[in-house]
Amino acid sequence: DAMVIQNPRYQVTQFGKPVTLSCSQTLNHNVMYWYQQKSSQAPKLLFHYYDKDFNNEADTPDNFQSRRPNTSFCFLDIRSPGLGDAAMYLCATSRDRGGGTEAFFGQGTRLTVV
Amino acid sequence: GNSVTQMEGPVTLSEEAFLTINCTYTATGYPSLFWYVQYPGEGLQLLLKATKADDKGSNKGFEATYRKETTSFHLEKGSVQVSDSAVYFCALRGGSQGNLIFGKGTKLSVKP
Repeated sequence: DAMVIQNPRYQVTQFGKPVTLSCSQTLNHNVMYWYQQKSSQAPKLLFHYYDKDFNNEADTPDNFQSRRPNTSFCFLDIRSPGLGDAAMYLCATSRDRGGGTEAFFGQGTRLTVV
Repeated sequence: GNSVTQMEGPVTLSEEAFLTINCTYTATGYPSLFWYVQYPGEGLQLLLKATKADDKGSNKGFEATYRKETTSFHLEKGSVQVSDSAVYFCALRGGSQGNLIFGKGTKLSVKP
């Protein structure tokens, strides 16, 4: 059974039109991450939640926001998508942040901006 | 800051060939090291990990040894199968927040 579920798998949005991607988990993990992965590039960490604490990466554009209303769900909001935001967006969870803690990934949402 | 560098792909091998995918890292402190694999149409899955120097992670015939002296964590498999075709990501977890940092990934294609 899928433990980290991302919806939708494919999302097409218009240039400048706000879009929300969702992620849910059944693992009851404390940490939830959002990564952006462009073709042939490393997944890039955008931000993460440790429980309710939001941790933004320094180079994440303000256009990207996130919400975590409860332990199970986390959302990625792109306020005004540009063509350069087309990418695969990966959600991941982990029990904790330290040491050898494994991260569990969803299947990703591929975002197309038209 | 922390970073991971892995060999460029794609790598194409014949079945039963020996595989090496090189990975080196830059990090402060003592990071944990990981290999993740992404099969077509699926999310990333943990393949193996090592949490301290000289540890060897192994799974499904794949191995990697944490070499602090060379800051490396090369992935090896003695005999690859067609089913090993996937993208392989080297990663480290370190720093004050234990963020998971990835390399660019290496695509492996195994031909029958």
